[in-house]
Amino acid sequence: DAGVTQSPTHLIKTRGQQVTLRCSPKSGHDTVSWYQQALGQGPQFIFQYYEEEERQRGNFPDRFSGHQFPNYSSELNVNALLLGDSALYLCASSPDLSGNTIYFGEGSWLTVV
Amino acid sequence: AQSVTQPDIHITVSEGASLELRCNYSYGATPYLFWYVQSPGQGLQLLLKYFSGDTLVQGIKGFEAEFKRSQSSFNLRKPSVHWSDAAEYFCAVGANFGNEKLTFGTGTRLTIIP
Repeated sequence: DAGVTQSPTHLIKTRGQQVTLRCSPKSGHDTVSWYQQALGQGPQFIFQYYEEEERQRGNFPDRFSGHQFPNYSSELNVNALLLGDSALYLCASSPDLSGNTIYFGEGSWLTVV
Repeated sequence: AQSVTQPDIHITVSEGASLELRCNYSYGATPYLFWYVQSPGQGLQLLLKYFSGDTLVQGIKGFEAEFKRSQSSFNLRKPSVHWSDAAEYFCAVGANFGNEKLTFGTGTRLTIIP
C-alpha cells in the first residue's frame, strides 16, 4: 500500500515563474492538506481540500492556489514566485476530516532563484 | 489561536542516555497533540498522538509522551537513545475534532554522540 506520494521531489524555478506540485494521497484517504516548511522552521498550514473543495486556508496569499481531483489527488499552484517561496512543500492526507490519522509525504523541494 | 512552543532548538545527548524533548501548547479547548520526526531531507513520520484518555501515550521506536493539562505540556521521552534517533522533532497541536489543520512548533534538533 503506497503512502502519500508527491512529485516532483526537487525543482528549481526562476523568480516570477509559476509552479505546480502534485500529491497522491494514501489509499482510502479523501482529505488532503498542504504545508510549507521553510529551512529551519516547522511546517506551516497552507490549505486543506475535501470533496474537491477548499475547506480551510492558512495565512498565505492568493498566489497559492490548489485543486483536488475526483480521485482525491491534489495540486498546489504557486504563481509569481518569490525568493521567499523556496521551501519544502509537504502534502498530508487522512481518511476524513477528523485529523485522527494524518500521513505526510516526503515533500517537494522548491528552490526559487 | 493555537500555538506550540519547543523551547530547545538543539539538544545533544550521548547514545544510551535518556531523552526528554519539551513541548508547550496554547489552545482553548482539549487539544489533539502529536509528535513527528523528520530525518534530513525527508518528510514527517508520526511518532505518537494524544486525543483523549490515558495521558501517557506510547509511540513507535520506544518513544512516549505525557500530556499534562495543568502545565499545557506534552513532553516526549525515551529511556535510551540510539544513534539512529538523530533527527528533527516537531510537536504539533490540532484543533477541534473534524479539523485537520495542525500547528507545528519550530522543532528540536537532536544530535547523538557516541
